[in-house]
Amino acid sequence: DQQVKQNSPSLSVQEGRISILNCDYTNSMFDYFLWYKKYPAEGPTFLISISSIKDKNEDGRFTVFLNKSAKHLSLHIVPSQPGDSAVYFCALGSARQLTFGSGTQLTVLP
Amino acid sequence: DAGVIQSPRHEVTEMGQEVTLRCKPISGHDYLFWYRQTMMRGLELLIYFNNNVPIDDSGMPEDRFSAKMPNASFSTLKIQPSEPRDSAVYFCASSFAFQGNYEQYFGPGTRLTVT
Repeated sequence: DQQVKQNSPSLSVQEGRISILNCDYTNSMFDYFLWYKKYPAEGPTFLISISSIKDKNEDGRFTVFLNKSAKHLSLHIVPSQPGDSAVYFCALGSARQLTFGSGTQLTVLP
Repeated sequence: DAGVIQSPRHEVTEMGQEVTLRCKPISGHDYLFWYRQTMMRGLELLIYFNNNVPIDDSGMPEDRFSAKMPNASFSTLKIQPSEPRDSAVYFCASSFAFQGNYEQYFGPGTRLTVT
């Protein structure tokens, strides 16, 4: 029973364009929603988060949107840069635990 | 700060051998998590501790896996006996109670290969 789904295993985007990564969930119990970035041979690193009481949070080139009625979370990166190429995981938080999606490999083409 | 430290970074062992993975959390953090990442199952939580006490071990796959946290600065994950299907990357992460958004800080991982 997958509570968190990232349906796109991979995404390719041209440098300078917008990257949109998506995450769907089934359970309404989560109260924080996070995005992590992972480079090969490294641990995941935190990128941005949003509380369940908000619908948007912005940090520089990164914006996270939360649509609670649709149980949908998205991460927008604009403009995309080659250094953004990595695997992106959504992670949903409840009672201090995080449940991770399967990840999306983003490739930003120069 | 040094971040979360894991050792070894790579471990290759034969089936049936005992494997011990080690983790040093960030100083002052009171939560410690062990995860396993595989292609099939993604990043899954195995067990987590709060103030050195195991809180939830429902993710531990079977009795061959055990974890301890003897003090606030050290934890181990042991597999005995190891099997080829245990091959994966094992991550340790830590966080502190006042981290409102539940952010966890991950170590670099231990890549385990069981032949």
